[in-house]
Amino acid sequence: SQELEQSPQSLIVQEGKNLTINCTSSKTLYGLYWYKQKYGEGLIFLMMLQKGGEEKSHEKITAKLDEKKQQSSLHITASQPSHAGIYLCGADRSTLGRLYFGRGTQLTVWP
Amino acid sequence: NAGVTQTPKFRILKIGQSMTLQCTQDMNHNYMYWYRQDPGMGLKLIYYSVGAGITDKGEVPNGYNVSRSTTEDFPLRLELAAPSQTSVYFCASSSTGGGGNEKLFFGSGTQLSVL
Repeated sequence: SQELEQSPQSLIVQEGKNLTINCTSSKTLYGLYWYKQKYGEGLIFLMMLQKGGEEKSHEKITAKLDEKKQQSSLHITASQPSHAGIYLCGADRSTLGRLYFGRGTQLTVWP
Repeated sequence: NAGVTQTPKFRILKIGQSMTLQCTQDMNHNYMYWYRQDPGMGLKLIYYSVGAGITDKGEVPNGYNVSRSTTEDFPLRLELAAPSQTSVYFCASSSTGGGGNEKLFFGSGTQLSVL
């Protein structure tokens, strides 16, 4: 079974629309990371959340961590074609820095 | 800034062949990782290393071997390639690792097909 569940698996939105991607862990979280991947490229770090209730923003992307629910959400405001890609959440379940990842959410933004 | 460099970018192998995927980083990071990414399956950790001379298995180590003779290099070896090893492989590194306070830097990946 997948320890990190992401939803939805894919998302198609019109440019300018808001969207939310969720990540739920079945185990205790030491840290929750969001990465973005474009086709044929490696993963680019977006944000890291450590404490329950923590919220971080970068440009039009906001991520929140609900520690009690072991869940994080990634929200994009006024989406643009440049936001298209695969968004993956990763969780650190130990002190050894081994990140485990969800299956990813494929985001398509059409003009 | 080079960061994490992987070679080759693409490779096609025949069943039973062997090859080594190269990974080097110039950030003096102690922690290095190998992941594989299958379509719709996210990333699975194959092996990781917390420093030169120290390696350990991740989630899916079968069919692979690693070594870490220097801080910079962390090659991944496939001894007898099988179709199930067709995947995109990513190498990553971090400076300290662990505790939810350290991000990973990723290479651009190696796309491997075993036919």
